[in-house]
Amino acid sequence: KNEVEQSPQNLTAQEGEFITINCSYSVGISALHWLQQHPGGGIVSLFMLSSGKKKHGRLIATINIQEKHSSLHITASHPRDSAVYICAARNYGGSQGNLIFGKGTKLSVKP
Amino acid sequence: GAGVSQSPSNKVTEKGKDVELRCDPISGHTALYWYRQSLGQGLEFLIYFQGNSAPDKSGLPSDRFSAERTGGSVSTLTIQRTQQEDSAVYLCASSFGRGGLYEQYFGPGTRLTVT
Repeated sequence: KNEVEQSPQNLTAQEGEFITINCSYSVGISALHWLQQHPGGGIVSLFMLSSGKKKHGRLIATINIQEKHSSLHITASHPRDSAVYICAARNYGGSQGNLIFGKGTKLSVKP
Repeated sequence: GAGVSQSPSNKVTEKGKDVELRCDPISGHTALYWYRQSLGQGLEFLIYFQGNSAPDKSGLPSDRFSAERTGGSVSTLTIQRTQQEDSAVYLCASSFGRGGLYEQYFGPGTRLTVT
């Protein structure tokens, strides 16, 4: 079992739909990252959080430390949101800088 | 300001040759990371530099891989005697502070193809 699990693996939505991507982890963490990888390959950091909730535009990330679970929400989805979303955990007991990556969720938003 | 840059953007090499990949991090960022993404696979950590500390090399897949960071800025990832399984996109990222605890800024990657 991977230490960082994402679901779903693939997600197709209609424009305007509310989207949730889930990330569960089995290790103690000090931080969790959400990344977006565009179809061209470029990676952008969306959020880094260690507790609570963060919001940026139509994107919201939440984390529940007790349940070892994080969610990424996209409100009013748009075709330009189509990308792979990657969750990565900074292992509390691990070596510094060594993020443990989920396998990604491929999102496709249809117009 | 300028983001993380990597060169070359694409590299095709013959099996057995050595290659060098370069990363220019954002000025002032003390942490630098190398990752690898093989076709259809997730991101894989390779190595992490933080300031003047000894690098965390725990992700390097074999002793054919090495990296250095000169003057706390530019980094070079070297792969010796390349193999076909080394074909991947090699990504560099930098961040302001200690590893994993700050937002990371990614470069565009170098696509390496070993023939």
